[in-house]
Amino acid sequence: RKEVEQDPGPFNVPEGATVAFNCTYSNSASQSFFWYRQDCRKEPKLLMSVYSSGNEDGRFTAQLNRASQYISLLIRDSKLSDSATYLCVVIGSGGYNKLIFGAGTRLAVHP
Amino acid sequence: NAGVMQNPRHLVRRRGQEARLRCSPMKGHSHVYWYRQLPEEGLKFMVYLQKENIIDESGMPKERFSAEFPKEGPSILRIQQVVRGDSAAYFCASSPLLAGGPTDTQYFGPGTRLTVL
Repeated sequence: RKEVEQDPGPFNVPEGATVAFNCTYSNSASQSFFWYRQDCRKEPKLLMSVYSSGNEDGRFTAQLNRASQYISLLIRDSKLSDSATYLCVVIGSGGYNKLIFGAGTRLAVHP
Repeated sequence: NAGVMQNPRHLVRRRGQEARLRCSPMKGHSHVYWYRQLPEEGLKFMVYLQKENIIDESGMPKERFSAEFPKEGPSILRIQQVVRGDSAAYFCASSPLLAGGPTDTQYFGPGTRLTVL
């Protein structure tokens, strides 16, 4: 079983749509969780950290369910510029801040 | 404050040659991480270094790959006798050191795309 698993995608949605991505992780001792965004052939960029209480940043909302080992990202009012691959990321065990990446979910927003 | 810098951005090698990838962390950052992204796959952790120390190399292939982060100068990822399967994007990330340890946030460089012919 992969340490971090994501919806394979791709998600093709029209502008203005709401889209949700899911992610599960296998290590119950994981403490830190993130969503990164990666544009084609570029470096990953931190989108937001994910906290147990849930957090929101504009059109983006992230949720963490520790009991189910499940992370989600909700994007409201999708823009063309949201088209990218979204990476679910977990800090691995060992205390060395080793990032464990999911394979990513591709989002394509069309006019 | 310049971000994480990597060079070269693109590197072409023939099978059997050596590849050297360089990473300069952000100013004030003393922790460097290397990740590899194979085509159509997610990023995989390779190695975590502090100045003059390898802290975790659990993701490094056992042979042909080595990494260093000297007291002066950039971190180097070295691949000897490259094979076609080494073709990938290699990303470096850095994080600062605060009291109690490095922060979670890692800042990524633009990557080096290695092509092995």
